[in-house]
Amino acid sequence: DAKTTQPNSMESNEEEPVHLPCNHSTISGTDYIHWYRQLPSQGPEYVIHGLTSNVNNRMASLAIAEDRKSSTLILHRATLRDAAVYYCILRGVSGNTPLVFGKGTRLSVIA
Amino acid sequence: NAGVTQTPKFRILKIGQSMTLQCTQDMNHNYMYWYRQDPGMGLKLIYYSVGAGITDKGEVPNGYNVSRSTTEDFPLRLELAAPSQTSVYFCASRNVLGARSEQYFGPGTRLTVT
Repeated sequence: DAKTTQPNSMESNEEEPVHLPCNHSTISGTDYIHWYRQLPSQGPEYVIHGLTSNVNNRMASLAIAEDRKSSTLILHRATLRDAAVYYCILRGVSGNTPLVFGKGTRLSVIA
Repeated sequence: NAGVTQTPKFRILKIGQSMTLQCTQDMNHNYMYWYRQDPGMGLKLIYYSVGAGITDKGEVPNGYNVSRSTTEDFPLRLELAAPSQTSVYFCASRNVLGARSEQYFGPGTRLTVT
């Protein structure tokens, strides 16, 4: 699976939108973009995934660049509970290889 | 569904002792994984299994063993504990639905080896 690059940390004010970037310049045409997050002292949890089109679910939105070399996870109104490490991960179309985690982005939310 | 459960939650081992970390999932998932996470780092894959009776090494398998006799259970065995194995261990599972399938994680086991 291709590699991703994320900022080490970001900060947001509560109730403001947060845009978490991810670069994946070597992405292949069939790689899916997955986002997971890890709350303090918990296991990671799935957030969202996409292939080419932007995606929305109850937790977040995923905006994928037209050339697919980057993507952005959008939290529309950050809450204190959203403070976590966010991981951007690519997964090949077969899905047979395990998820490979980088260091992710540590998001701090200020009240 | 309970999802992925892990026991124990915490454990302190002395150097050279052995133990088994238990992992069970009730979602009938074929794929199961063991990861470890050192402080401030991302997760590293230890072993994984694509079904009962089939296991394979991940990135950091040395010092660990696994078995998969049933779909539900995927225990991780430490034979001779070393301080370098102090870490938080996460078990995970997913269905075999290709690149779109979500991976579910357990709450973790915090292990200290002294």
